[in-house]
Amino acid sequence: GQQVQQSPASLVLQEGENAELQCNFSTSLNSMQWFYQRPGGSLVSLFYNPSGTKHSGRLTSTTVIKERRSSLHISSSQTTDSGTYLCALRRASSSFSKLVFGQGTSLSVVP
Amino acid sequence: AQTIHQWPVAEIKAVGSPLSLGCTIKGKSSPNLYWYWQATGGTLQQLFYSITVGQVESVVQLNLSASRPKDDQFILSTEKLLLSHSGFYLCAWSYRGDSDYTFGSGTRLLVI
Repeated sequence: GQQVQQSPASLVLQEGENAELQCNFSTSLNSMQWFYQRPGGSLVSLFYNPSGTKHSGRLTSTTVIKERRSSLHISSSQTTDSGTYLCALRRASSSFSKLVFGQGTSLSVVP
Repeated sequence: AQTIHQWPVAEIKAVGSPLSLGCTIKGKSSPNLYWYWQATGGTLQQLFYSITVGQVESVVQLNLSASRPKDDQFILSTEKLLLSHSGFYLCAWSYRGDSDYTFGSGTRLLVI
């Protein structure tokens, strides 16, 4: 089955509203990473977050390993936040490294 | 500063024709390199990874191959394209240890 589940699949916000995106994983991991995928397809790394809470501007990422979940909070959304948000869990050893992606949350922020 | 460059930006190719996509990383010695693929509307999947020159491991079989001829270069190729190869290809690097990943701008491929 799907190792990484993201919810919701899509979300529409009024500008200024907050959003909470969820990522649940069913397997062990070394770390969790959040990306923003631009409409053209390229990925921008938002957070590398093995555990705990990290902040970056209006974004906050929280990973709770024992509950197998990670979240991305967007506060005071702006139209430029529109796009797809991907979480990916990393499984790695000394000779192997793999990112397993969720299916993404498509965010649309309207004025 | 580290940079990652992918080429070409986009390709339209015929079924059965060959393909070669490239990725170059500058400013980082001996990075781990990866190829990812995303079908239209689909989930990103890791195809290959390489931890050193000349060594490439396959993660998903898609009738594609990859090579790492130089420390800073990663090539994805096939001799015969299939319709199912259409999609978006991304190259990425990470460094030793538990570090984050950095992605290139991608190549959009349409096979007709």
